[in-house]
Amino acid sequence: SQQGEEDPQALSIQEGENATMNCSYKTSINNLQWYRQNSGRGLVHLILIRSNEREKHSGRLRVTLDTSKKSSSLLITASRAADTASYFCATGHSGAGSYQLTFGKGTKLSVIP
Amino acid sequence: EAQVTQNPRYLITVTGKKLTVTCSQNMNHEYMSWYRQDPGLGLRQIYYSMNVEVTDKGDVPEGYKVSRKEKRNFPLILESPSPNQTSLYFCASSLILAGGTDTQYFGPGTRLTVL
Repeated sequence: SQQGEEDPQALSIQEGENATMNCSYKTSINNLQWYRQNSGRGLVHLILIRSNEREKHSGRLRVTLDTSKKSSSLLITASRAADTASYFCATGHSGAGSYQLTFGKGTKLSVIP
Repeated sequence: EAQVTQNPRYLITVTGKKLTVTCSQNMNHEYMSWYRQDPGLGLRQIYYSMNVEVTDKGDVPEGYKVSRKEKRNFPLILESPSPNQTSLYFCASSLILAGGTDTQYFGPGTRLTVL
């Protein structure tokens, strides 16, 4: 399994600061997706970045992808207490007609008001 | 409203008693998938389906079965549940892009306890 691995496992910051989370993976991918999960609830999609893209923005979120290093980062700017959640990267890969999606273990972000 | 529904949301059962967790989506998505989430292990894919009658194993398929007889439904079957299948289960669906899957839409989760 080419499971993505997030780093750090946990991150605690003050409201207003930026939060950066990293994701590394092992083999070639078609795309990489970031998700957010509030305590035990369903995951919510944040950004999908394709293998031929290097950077994407969505509001206060910025995602970069470096396929040469097999890594991605998620930056949340001007964090808010409501950003407190777990963040997961998921790598999409295909082979022999199959489309498996592999999630990492997540980064738990705590934003302190 | 576009959504993925799962039932039941909570289930407590005993070892060996067959159960089915249903999953349904109303977005006409080709791709559907089941994951389990355990503390410290993140989400692990159990099975996925590219379309009706097309299913494939994920990373942890042992002890589970699935079927895709209709595009909107993708039930997860535990023929003989065991305590190590106690977990939080998520169903998800998406379109299929050229060369990969699109944004996954997740259901609310099913918390299963096997005694």
